[in-house]
Order: sequence, then structure tokens, then C-alpha cells
Amino acid sequence: NAGVTQTPKFQVLKTGQSMTLQCAQDMNHNSMYWYRQDPGMGLRLIYYSASEGTTDKGEVPNGYNVSRLNKREFSLRLESAAPSQTSVYFCASSAQGGSNQPQHFGDGTRLSIL
Amino acid sequence: DAKTTQPPSMDCAEGRAANLPCNHSTISGNEYVYWYRQIHSQGPQYIIHGLKNNETNEMASLIITEDRKSSTLILPHATLRDTAVYYCIVRRNQGGKLIFGQGTELSVKP
Repeated sequence: NAGVTQTPKFQVLKTGQSMTLQCAQDMNHNSMYWYRQDPGMGLRLIYYSASEGTTDKGEVPNGYNVSRLNKREFSLRLESAAPSQTSVYFCASSAQGGSNQPQHFGDGTRLSIL
Repeated sequence: DAKTTQPPSMDCAEGRAANLPCNHSTISGNEYVYWYRQIHSQGPQYIIHGLKNNETNEMASLIITEDRKSSTLILPHATLRDTAVYYCIVRRNQGGKLIFGQGTELSVKP
């Protein structure tokens, strides 16, 4: 029962470095999402993919790119990391974005940018 | 998506029912009410959702008022492991995006 798996769990980067956060789900879900969570705040949507081959911007897309590699995998890339991107990143998936099916979340990637 | 209002924090005694309220007075007819919780350092966990009828599953019950302007999440026998931030979210049956507010921090005490 892996559900949604995120790698790595922790990462420290220097300003300007690039990095890709990986997410994979084994529930045959069509839709996948990337959120970030900053201290004392709720989650904010960065990007989402309603289905394989499509991606759309969320609330806070600046500084990020995404790739829906296949139905299982949805990656988030920071091309030039900035301290403002220090956060906990959560990936989620749902059976169908246009349905009432709930989203299931991974345990997060804790990213610090110095 | 409709905005929700929740109390910032609540306490509950272990073994008692925890009743978490949520106001969503601007909810529209095609919007569902979802509840998630987040235990410290973990990803959000789906609890339950509903449209207008009351719902129950193995984790909780969801009571939605007849006018749908508010709802209550009920954890029937709270345990220490239920200590978490609980989020009430209202969204349309489309788009898939969840908008998380500040939630209610529930502390279950022995």
C-alpha cells in the first residue's frame, strides 16, 4: 500500500542550484498535484496535471516547472533555487480531477535553500 | 470555491466525541464539503466528504445543515492520535484543486 511516494524526503540546496522533486503513485489515478506548505500556513497549489499529457498552473507557479512523465509520475523542478522556495512540498493524486474523488497525499519533501 | 471559516483551535478529552465546526455560508449547489487532517510533519489525510446528506465512514461522521451553510465533523471517540490540524474545504466537483485555509488545531488531552 505505497500510495503516493515522494523522493527525496529531505534536501538542502544552495541558492542557484537546480533540483527535481519526484512523485509517483500506484493507485492508477489520472490527476496529480504539487503543493507547498510554509510555516503556519495552509497548502498552496503550485501545479497540477488533470490527466497524462496535461499540466496547468496553480496559485504559486513562479520559479517551478513540472513534467507529467507518465500516468504514475509527476515531477517538480526548481531551475534556480531561491531561499523563498524553502518549504515542505507535497504531491497528491486523485482518481479524476473533475470528479468528487478525494486527493491522497505523500509524506512530503522538506527542502531548505541556503 | 466557497470560503470556509473554522475556529483556530479546540481541545477535546480522550474518549469523548470531538465536534469540529465549519461555516461555509457562500457555498453553491454543486460544491462539496471535504475534511482533511494533517498530523505534524505528515501529509494531509483525507477523512470524509459530502454534498448535502450526512455521511459516515470508519473515521468520522459529517453533518451538513439543511441550508448547507455549515457542517460539523464528528470524531466519535477521540484518541491522542487524533491530535492534528483539521481542514474544512469546499470545492466544486470540477477542477480538482483544493484550497486549504488555516484549519482547526485539535488537541486531544488525556
